[in-house]
Amino acid sequence: EPEVTQTPSHQVTQMGQEVILRCVPISNHLYFYWYRQILGQKVEFLVSFYNNEISEKSEIFDDQFSVERPDGSNFTLKIRSTKLEDSAMYFCASPGNYGYTFGSGTRLTVV
Amino acid sequence: AQKVTQAQTEISVVEKEDVTLDCVYETRDTTYYLFWYKQPPSGELVFLIRRNSFDEQNEISGRYSWNFQKSTSSFNFTITASQVVDSAVYFCALSEEAAGNKLTFGGGTRVLVKP
Repeated sequence: EPEVTQTPSHQVTQMGQEVILRCVPISNHLYFYWYRQILGQKVEFLVSFYNNEISEKSEIFDDQFSVERPDGSNFTLKIRSTKLEDSAMYFCASPGNYGYTFGSGTRLTVV
Repeated sequence: AQKVTQAQTEISVVEKEDVTLDCVYETRDTTYYLFWYKQPPSGELVFLIRRNSFDEQNEISGRYSWNFQKSTSSFNFTITASQVVDSAVYFCALSEEAAGNKLTFGGGTRVLVKP
């Protein structure tokens, strides 16, 4: 099964700073997703991206969040001004042959 | 709206015991998919199985088996002869075609297998 690659694996940032999380999804897939998991809680949908456009976003995905595709293969999730409550594991996902393949995640810690 | 409930927050067993994880879902869609994912202590999400709404056959894969019952909206997961390496959090998830196929996860069940 092809891999989904996320960088960095861990990021520590000060409150109010901007962070950019990166993902290289499975190639040739039109759909792409970002999810968030606050420590000890369930995985929550943030945003889906279809054919270079946001197709759906959750209530969590407010104006502080943005998703971009800066080049043909990479996706980024940007948080403009981080808050303490943004501390979480962020996963990107691509549809695979049988199920969704998740990246290994970026653990974001806001201090 | 889609919803997934995993009533068991934590299960503790001794190695070689069987353990069954419950999952109950709600959906208005007729075409949907059910999933189980494993999250070991290292944190990644590992795909275990996908089932579509039109296939109620139970499935067995090694020590893992799944029981899908549309009549009770349940998709339960059994680990037979558990091993310490099975210790992890297990998530049940649902996706609906009508909802863009995004995944809705249950709250997860932490399984602790003691030697």
